[in-house]
Amino acid sequence: DVVMTQSPLSLPVTLGQPASISCKSSQSLVYSDGNTYLNWFQQRPGQSPRRLIYKVSDRDSGVPDRFSGSGSGTDFTLKISRVEAEDVGVYYCMQGTHWPGTFGQGTKVEF
Amino acid sequence: EAQLVESGGGVVRPGGSLRLSCAASGFKFDDYGMSWVRQGPGKGLEWVAGINWNGGGTSYEDSVKGRFTISRDNAKNSVYLQMNSLRAEDTALYHCVRGGDYRNGIWFSGVGYDPWGQGTLVTVSS
Repeated sequence: DVVMTQSPLSLPVTLGQPASISCKSSQSLVYSDGNTYLNWFQQRPGQSPRRLIYKVSDRDSGVPDRFSGSGSGTDFTLKISRVEAEDVGVYYCMQGTHWPGTFGQGTKVEF
Repeated sequence: EAQLVESGGGVVRPGGSLRLSCAASGFKFDDYGMSWVRQGPGKGLEWVAGINWNGGGTSYEDSVKGRFTISRDNAKNSVYLQMNSLRAEDTALYHCVRGGDYRNGIWFSGVGYDPWGQGTLVTVSS
């Protein structure tokens, strides 16, 4: 299975400041159709995960534009331009290119 | 708004069985593949099983193959997970999620899963 490695696993943040999470895959995530299926999920305390970003950089409807995704091949990044209080929680990257889809360990974002 | 609501979790002894159900609403159910993703205590997220739009194709994570069966009833907008021969390591919160499909004969997670249900807790303990 493709191993997804996130860093850091714990990320102390400051309100209004930027934050960044790295995700590295053990294999290239470029699919045969040319797309890269790297997705990001947010899990707020006590809630189910929700998808924030799909195919590296496409934001889901309703996701604030302070969230952005970038990267290619095996190296990817989720950035929050200015952290807000509602952003605390655990963030997971997930690859959907190879069977089975696999998740990173999660990065806990907290103040 | 698309919604998924799971039920059927509980406490079961090792070797026992449970059947999870997921009721979907707010979207055209038979347009989508569906999956189950679990989250063990203190653990991350793990895809467990997927089923395509008409139930004609299913796929399972290796550790549950032969023990779990995913199915769906499009007339009832529902997806199910029959879990047999349960083990302690199957203890987890099981989420029903929309997403996944077959491509070239292989289950393809693609853009992942959206939305997620709130989950139903399965505890396997003697």
